[in-house]
Parts: sequence; structure tokens; C-alpha cells
Amino acid sequence: QKEVEQNSGPLSVPEGAIASLNCTYSDQGSQSFFWYRQYSGKSPELIMFIYSNGDKEDGRFTAQLNKASQYVSLLIRDSQPSDSATYLCAVNPGRDAGGTSYGKLTFGQGTILTVHP
Amino acid sequence: SQTIHQWPATLVQPVGSPLSLECTVEGTSNPNLYWYRQAAGRGLQLLFYSVGIGQISSEVPQNLSASRPQDRQFILSSKKLLLSDSGFYLCAWSGEGPRTHSYEQYFGPGTRLTVT
Repeated sequence: QKEVEQNSGPLSVPEGAIASLNCTYSDQGSQSFFWYRQYSGKSPELIMFIYSNGDKEDGRFTAQLNKASQYVSLLIRDSQPSDSATYLCAVNPGRDAGGTSYGKLTFGQGTILTVHP
Repeated sequence: SQTIHQWPATLVQPVGSPLSLECTVEGTSNPNLYWYRQAAGRGLQLLFYSVGIGQISSEVPQNLSASRPQDRQFILSSKKLLLSDSGFYLCAWSGEGPRTHSYEQYFGPGTRLTVT
């Protein structure tokens, strides 16, 4: 069973702080990694994806990937109350033995983030 | 730009009644399409995915079925709903572009189904 585990929440940080969200995955062959933000009652929204080891920055968001440790994280700098949401980590296992990729993602359970003023 | 639509937005159905949820995608061709269910306070469960017209793969055996009659249309159905079918149903699409190993998925607005 391929699994994606996220740090248990809820996570509460003060406005302006750095929020750190973590995710581990069990399939060593995983190729692509995604972070989604889901506001209460809404559908998930893609905010970052990464497929190479290292850091990828986009505005206040930084995704970090360490394939050797099977670990991916999302840092949110200068957290704002509008960042309060559930953050979902998702992993694409890549291509199967036949070389076919269907783009299926395995999602973690999500981490609830609250940014308080 | 690509847009994904789902309807209805909310639905209340009695146990034993049929179900039909529709999803359409605009602005892309030959997308991969996915149906997910999210129970209250839970993660996303992949129900079906499709890589082309008439090609459906089921992830979880249950009383639901899916069909893809057109390239950008994906339908989720049930002949008889169960109480356990309640949840937030999400359709998503992905495409194989220059970043062929990326496969980011984009979600529709969802349908909130309550079975009573």
C-alpha cells in the first residue's frame, strides 16, 4: 500500500511567522510531488509542485524535496490569516512497469493550518 | 485557459435513489479525468480515472460507476444510493504536456451530496 503521511495538526502559527508543513511517502519510485490548499467547503487548489531534489520557491511558498529521505515539505513565509486552510500533500508514483503513466495521485490526510492575528 | 465544471453544486437524495453527476472540461483535449470522494473531515479517495473516451478504471469496488461518453465529459453514476455515499465529490483533470512527468491535477468546484 503506497502511503503518504502528513504531520498531524492542527498547526497554529501567529501572523507573520513561518509555517512548516511536512509530508513523507512510502513509494521510493515516486516522481512528482504536489501541495494543494483547501479552504473549508471548497475544492483543493494546486499551489506548488516539485519533482527535483532541493528547493522550489514561488512567492511566499517554498517546496522542499529530499528523495533520499522520501520527504517533502512546504514552507509558508510571512503567514497571513488568509493562509488558514487544510494543506494536502500528493504524490505521483510515476510510470508503471509497462511504462504507462496515468497521472494518479496519492493524497495525504491533510494538515489544518490556522494563522492567528 | 482550461476550465472545469461540475454540477450540481449540492444534492440531497434519498437512500435507494439513482445518481448522476457530470463534469466537463474546457480548453484542453484528451485530458486524464478523475473522480474523487472526500468524506467529512477525511482525505481524498480516488474512485475512477480515465485516460480516454470509454476507458474507465475503478479504484474502489462499490455501487458507483463512471462513464466518459465524450473526450471532455466525465459522468459519475449510481443506480441505488447508500447512506455511506454521502460526501464531497470532486472531478479533476490532468494533461501530459512539456512536463510529462509532472501530471498536476486541477479540481472542479465539487458536488456536495447528502444521502438521507
